[in-house]
Amino acid sequence: DTAVSQTPKYLVTQMGNDKSIKCEQNLGHDTMYWYKQDSKKFLKIMFSYNNKELIINETVPNRFSPKSPDKAHLNLHINSLELGDSAVYFCASSLSVDRGGYEQYFGPGTRLTVT
Amino acid sequence: AQKVTQAQTEISVVEKEDVTLDCVYETRDTTYYLFWYKQPPSGELVFLIRRNSFDEQNEISGRYSWNFQKSTSSFNFTITASQVVDSAVYFCALSETLNAGKSTFGDGTTLTVKP
Repeated sequence: DTAVSQTPKYLVTQMGNDKSIKCEQNLGHDTMYWYKQDSKKFLKIMFSYNNKELIINETVPNRFSPKSPDKAHLNLHINSLELGDSAVYFCASSLSVDRGGYEQYFGPGTRLTVT
Repeated sequence: AQKVTQAQTEISVVEKEDVTLDCVYETRDTTYYLFWYKQPPSGELVFLIRRNSFDEQNEISGRYSWNFQKSTSSFNFTITASQVVDSAVYFCALSETLNAGKSTFGDGTTLTVKP
């Protein structure tokens, strides 16, 4: 069983379109995250959710809207896609956000290409 | 503000050589956690180790060892007798208690182990 899964694995779309990426974890974790990894491999946190509540929003354009229907799912919707949105998006989860001290388990990533 | 610096962008070694990846961090928090993650060419991110700020004991796991020194704000990672399978991007990360839910990653060090 995959611990953290993401769909789709690849996403190719045109500028201006709206797309969603889904993430699910079966680890029973309370906290989930979205990261963006650019072409230089820099990894930046975008959002953190704890028990379905948004706790971190890192200066991400409001075209990006995360949604957590329950603790096991965290989806990312992107409106009006731009060329600069092309990247690999990783979902992750951790046991808790308590004291900030738990390791994160990452999904396989979604490679988004905007043309 | 939390910050992680991995000054070595790329390192290339020949198999069986020892190699140390440097990580220097900045934080104002007294309780924090440090992590190392590995990203092999296949792209997934894999957790390697977690250390809290009160535990400066060095850790060894097989060919991997970690040296945590609060005095120099460093958390270095050594691979002994490197192997081709160690080729990957390695990320050091920091989480603060005061900023729970936000992990800051270094820019990563790309390690290439040649046969």
